[in-house]
Amino acid sequence: DAGVTQSPTHLIKTRGQQVTLRCSPISGHKSVSWYQQVLGQGPQFIFQYYEKEERGRGNFPDRFSARQFPNYSSELNVNALLLGDSALYLCASSFVPPSAGRNIQYFGAGTRLSVL
Amino acid sequence: GEDVEQSLFLSVREGDSSVINCTYTDSSSTYLYWYKQEPGAGLQLLTYIFSNMDMKQDQRLTVLLNKKDKHLSLRIADTQTGDSAIYFCAEGGSQGNLIFGKGTKLSVKP
Repeated sequence: DAGVTQSPTHLIKTRGQQVTLRCSPISGHKSVSWYQQVLGQGPQFIFQYYEKEERGRGNFPDRFSARQFPNYSSELNVNALLLGDSALYLCASSFVPPSAGRNIQYFGAGTRLSVL
Repeated sequence: GEDVEQSLFLSVREGDSSVINCTYTDSSSTYLYWYKQEPGAGLQLLTYIFSNMDMKQDQRLTVLLNKKDKHLSLRIADTQTGDSAIYFCAEGGSQGNLIFGKGTKLSVKP
């Protein structure tokens, strides 16, 4: 079975541009979460979606937005890119809703975004 | 608040045991997790432990949980060069998210 897939693998943008990152969860998983991992740090939570509804949001500016589609895939959009947005963006999927205690999340390989 | 702390580096010799330590702040976390990240890759779930357990063993991995001190450790027996990676401890957040430490970089010397 395919794991969590993310596209593209790498992306180079310039300041002020907009970017869209895509994620397909493991088949049967209805929850998708997005994380930002800056070099040398642990992943930081951006968004969580379950059944196409936003269920959680981390401490990120409104330039970051996301959505989940009927097939449970998801997109993360970042507007007006800043140099500090350069990071590895990770998508994770989970079978259970966010309120479940055992929320095991499976991660994709990530999209590495470089902002010049 | 929710926070997870880990030491940043650990170096061991091949065949030795590695112990990676972690402290967390949220006593209401019901599950705690260990993930592994190899260079240029995403995160691989290694194991997890329920908060009412003291220990969990899974092949070469042993997780110890001291809930009173909010201390979690991951022991890797017979460490191999292929175990060289960054190891992240994570606790469950209030929004169903995971809260990660900064990661411990494990270097295994032949």
